[in-house]
Amino acid sequence: NAGVTQTPKFQVLKTGQSMTLQCAQDMNHNSMYWYRQDPGMGLRLIYYSASEGTTDKGEVPNGYNVSRLNKREFSLRLESAAPSQTSVYFCASSGWAGGPGANVLTFGAGSRLTVL
Amino acid sequence: AQRVTQPEKLLSVFKGAPVELKCNYSYSGSPELFWYVQYSRQRLQLLLRHISRESIKGFTADLNKGETSFHLKKPFAQEEDSAMYYCALGTGGGNKLTFGTGTQLKVEL
Repeated sequence: NAGVTQTPKFQVLKTGQSMTLQCAQDMNHNSMYWYRQDPGMGLRLIYYSASEGTTDKGEVPNGYNVSRLNKREFSLRLESAAPSQTSVYFCASSGWAGGPGANVLTFGAGSRLTVL
Repeated sequence: AQRVTQPEKLLSVFKGAPVELKCNYSYSGSPELFWYVQYSRQRLQLLLRHISRESIKGFTADLNKGETSFHLKKPFAQEEDSAMYYCALGTGGGNKLTFGTGTQLKVEL
């Protein structure tokens, strides 16, 4: 079992470029999330998807878009990258809200993004 | 709105000394509290959750609703405990976690 797989692991972009971070999970989880991790800021939720076909904004959604392609995959897109989006991005998944696995997140390995 | 405060960015202790990583939360409803840990070059992972009331790797945490705290404790620190620890708050009925800013624990020999 791979758990949560994210690609790419590293990426350098120039300001204004676009890119998509891919995430897939093989645990049959309903909920998926994108967080960013910044020094001194902890993990902040960008977007989440409680179930296939739904997406909702988190704490810091500006500058990002997401797509829940199917139950397994949840992508994060930066349409026009800015230096403020330099960060480590984590994808995570969990069981359905209200169930025993709710809020028990399984994380991917992270994607380090640098925007010049 | 919910909030999680971890007042210490860095906590340095000697091996064998007691450890307490502080976590305070702000939430008007019924909270669900977690500790997540990230060891060097490893993925962020769940350490423990308050509803389990269990000890993991010698760590325990008790939810104190009166003080709105969920401090993580271990009586004798080990070198392998060195890691980044995040306290997280889940709100009833939802499936979103609010994380604190994290505490880097360094256990020195």
